[in-house]
Amino acid sequence: DTEVTQTPKHLVMGMTNKKSLKCEQHMGHRAMYWYKQKAKKPPELMFVYSYEKLSINESVPSRFSPECPNSSLLNLHLHALQPEDSALYLCASSQVNTGLFFGSGTQLSVL
Amino acid sequence: AQSVTQLDSQVPVFEEAPVELRCNYSSSVSVYLFWYVQYPNQGLQLLLKYLSGSTLVESINGFEAEFNKSQTSFHLRKPSVHISDTAEYFCAVSEPLRWNNAGNMLTFGGGTRLMVKP
Repeated sequence: DTEVTQTPKHLVMGMTNKKSLKCEQHMGHRAMYWYKQKAKKPPELMFVYSYEKLSINESVPSRFSPECPNSSLLNLHLHALQPEDSALYLCASSQVNTGLFFGSGTQLSVL
Repeated sequence: AQSVTQLDSQVPVFEEAPVELRCNYSSSVSVYLFWYVQYPNQGLQLLLKYLSGSTLVESINGFEAEFNKSQTSFHLRKPSVHISDTAEYFCAVSEPLRWNNAGNMLTFGGGTRLMVKP
């Protein structure tokens, strides 16, 4: 299994809603990532987890809250988002010398 | 600090023609280099990577890239493109010292949109 699975594929939420994005991999990778990608732009790193511990937070606003329940799962909890947070959210995982494996992403629209 | 420059934001090309997508990087240390492809409404797929050894690396679908240390380049080439190659291509670099299970920070270029026309 060489896939990173993200759910849901699409999400529409209001600015007062709370929602969560989910990511799962079964490749035994011990580093997992959240990226944000705006249209026609490269991905921007948000968070990195290593061995289920948050190792990098790229100054992301607190309305985004990551969680790594175990070595296969990564969540991104969303609360009180702004319309400018609308984007494609990508999860990825990696092991030494493999390159990052990305999921298909969640297309998020904040109304 | 690292940076990656993809010199062309769009490359239109006819089907079966050759193509080169250019990538230059700057770094004060040795780097690992990657090309990713992103089809519409999808995530990024790793196309090929250079970590060490032979400077010419190939992918399973006919693309190749050559690491040129003196010119700090990692251009992507394909001798004959297909309609299905139409996508966004991202070049990325990573410093090896950060390439471990503690996580890795890739620096992406701005992307090149390859448009293959019939």
